[in-house]
Amino acid sequence: DVKVTQSSRYLVKRTGEKVFLECVQDMDHENMFWYRQDPGLGLRLIYFSYDVKMKEKGDIPEGYSVSREKKERFSLILESASTNQTSMYLCASSSGGWSYEQYFGPGTRLTVT
Amino acid sequence: QQQVKQSPQSLIVQKGGISIINCAYENTAFDYFPWYQQFPGKGPALLIAIRPDVSEKKEGRFTISFNKSAKQFSLHIMDSQPGDSATYFCADGDSSASKIIFGSGTRLSIRP
Repeated sequence: DVKVTQSSRYLVKRTGEKVFLECVQDMDHENMFWYRQDPGLGLRLIYFSYDVKMKEKGDIPEGYSVSREKKERFSLILESASTNQTSMYLCASSSGGWSYEQYFGPGTRLTVT
Repeated sequence: QQQVKQSPQSLIVQKGGISIINCAYENTAFDYFPWYQQFPGKGPALLIAIRPDVSEKKEGRFTISFNKSAKQFSLHIMDSQPGDSATYFCADGDSSASKIIFGSGTRLSIRP
């Protein structure tokens, strides 16, 4: 079974703090993704990565950055957390080519106060 | 930004009934249309997917109907069960890339 793990289920941070969300997958997948999930807005892509050290902006990259130093690990960084970044953050991975099934982690509920 | 529009936002169905969720897409170049199911406290998981060269795909009680001319596709859940209560997301994707675009989600509740 593919397993995608996220470092925290719940996180509370203060405005202006730097926040790191970690994601690890154990299936040697090339692709990794970060989404945020908000009611009524579905899943919105923040950043994705096709390979180590490669990254591409998704639909809502503002205020976020990412890092992928190893194939199995993809980190989302909030440089200076703001209250409008309070959300559920989901990490996913998939193999390349024609296999589009994305495997999701359980999510991190981030609250910025 | 290409979108996929999903409706309804929420749906209540009696046990044993048929649940129907609809989606409309914009980009005719997209050639992969999956549905994901998410239970509370869990990440979404792939439920069923279709490519536009077929008009229907069935897996157990779950069926995707695809209407290429109308640029619409829908998920039908036959004999809906309380265990089907979840949030469902449609999505569409481009075979030249590995990312997909998700709809806004439908919260389905099946009443016993």
